[in-house]
Amino acid sequence: TQLLEQSPQFLSIQEGENLTVYCNSSSVFSSLQWYRQEPGEGPVLLVTVVTGGEVKKLKRLTFQFGDARKDSSLHITAAQPGDTGLYLCAGASTGNNRKLIWGLGTSLAVNP
Amino acid sequence: DAGVIQSPRHEVTEMGQEVTLRCKPISGHNSLFWYRQTMMRGLELLIYFNNNVPIDDSGMPEDRFSAKMPNASFSTLKIQPSEPRDSAVYFCASRRTGNTEAFFGQGTRLTVV
Repeated sequence: TQLLEQSPQFLSIQEGENLTVYCNSSSVFSSLQWYRQEPGEGPVLLVTVVTGGEVKKLKRLTFQFGDARKDSSLHITAAQPGDTGLYLCAGASTGNNRKLIWGLGTSLAVNP
Repeated sequence: DAGVIQSPRHEVTEMGQEVTLRCKPISGHNSLFWYRQTMMRGLELLIYFNNNVPIDDSGMPEDRFSAKMPNASFSTLKIQPSEPRDSAVYFCASRRTGNTEAFFGQGTRLTVV
């Protein structure tokens, strides 16, 4: 069974701090996605990484896919209260159906 | 496009009652997913349709749960009879076949008392 472990589970920081959250697995994925979910809403896609070692930037967010395509990290620079939410990673299986395997998420609170 | 539309947003029902959740996927998306989200287990895939046909229902907890997709623009998830442990947020998501990006609805928060 493919599993995705996210760490830390909870993170509370002050505005302006930097942070990194992790998504790890023993399985290889064809691609990996990061979503952000705000209270009362569904997850919204932030980025998809496909190539091992790939780095993508979205304003203050930097996403990296591990060389072996088994893990990923999300780094936020100078966090703002608007970054508060649940960050979920989802790996697409290498099978034909590209089934998504979900982590439990990192709940981030950025305090003003 | 209006995005994935789910109804109702909130549902409170008594144990033993039938509950029906509804979903309208994004037009042109031919894959549809029903998920359940809880604090303890996170997002769990219940069932997945492709071109209105159920492909993988291995996540459906038990026979009390059933899902249908009579056409490309509508799907239902039914729980009969409902139990308190079914309380969760249920999400519907859709995507284009061959694409991995899933678009989620706002969810239905179900409370069974």
